[in-house]
Amino acid sequence: AQKITQTQPGMFVQEKEAVTLDCTYDTSDPSYGLFWYKQPSSGEMIFLIYQGSYDQQNATEGRYSLNFQKARKSANLVISASQLGDSAMYFCAMRDLLNSGNTPLVFGKGTRLSVIA
Amino acid sequence: DVKVTQSSRYLVKRTGEKVFLECVQDMDHENMFWYRQDPGLGLRLIYFSYDVKMKEKGDIPEGYSVSREKKERFSLILESASTNQTSMYLCASSSVPISGNTIYFGEGSWLTVV
Repeated sequence: AQKITQTQPGMFVQEKEAVTLDCTYDTSDPSYGLFWYKQPSSGEMIFLIYQGSYDQQNATEGRYSLNFQKARKSANLVISASQLGDSAMYFCAMRDLLNSGNTPLVFGKGTRLSVIA
Repeated sequence: DVKVTQSSRYLVKRTGEKVFLECVQDMDHENMFWYRQDPGLGLRLIYFSYDVKMKEKGDIPEGYSVSREKKERFSLILESASTNQTSMYLCASSSVPISGNTIYFGEGSWLTVV
């Protein structure tokens, strides 16, 4: 069974600083995808970044980068130059990419990030 | 623009009522999912469906049922609502993943059972 662990219930960061949100995962599947989502107080889930288990390079999307360390089974999200609008819940998730693709996302418990002016 | 639409954003129901949460997607996706979100627990999978009339139990199916009569619609049913089902419910749909993000979420339904 797949499992996602986010050990930081809450984090604070100063505006314009970088912040790392931790995520470790557990799976026996050789092919999987790792995701990060942002959830503001409105409740919508906003996709941020994706990393495939066979991708050679760490994924980057604008101010977001994913620090993928396969041997350690970690997929930390790095947000550079934090902005006040980054204050939200952040979820790490994973999905098996075999099994004909009929697999749901498994989520961690989330980290609440607060950006301080 | 791709869209997953949940019929009700906010609902208040009484204990024992039968509750329907509807989800419709316009992307011809094979897979649809219902999650429940509670503070400190993250998102937990209730049920999912990978085809019309097919359903699979997730991690917390007790007290819920689902219906998928048409490809675009996936309904979550609370047969007899209880106060411990007060939560936020998220619907999602996806195509078969090759790679990358192929999963789309609705805006969520906030259910209060009194």
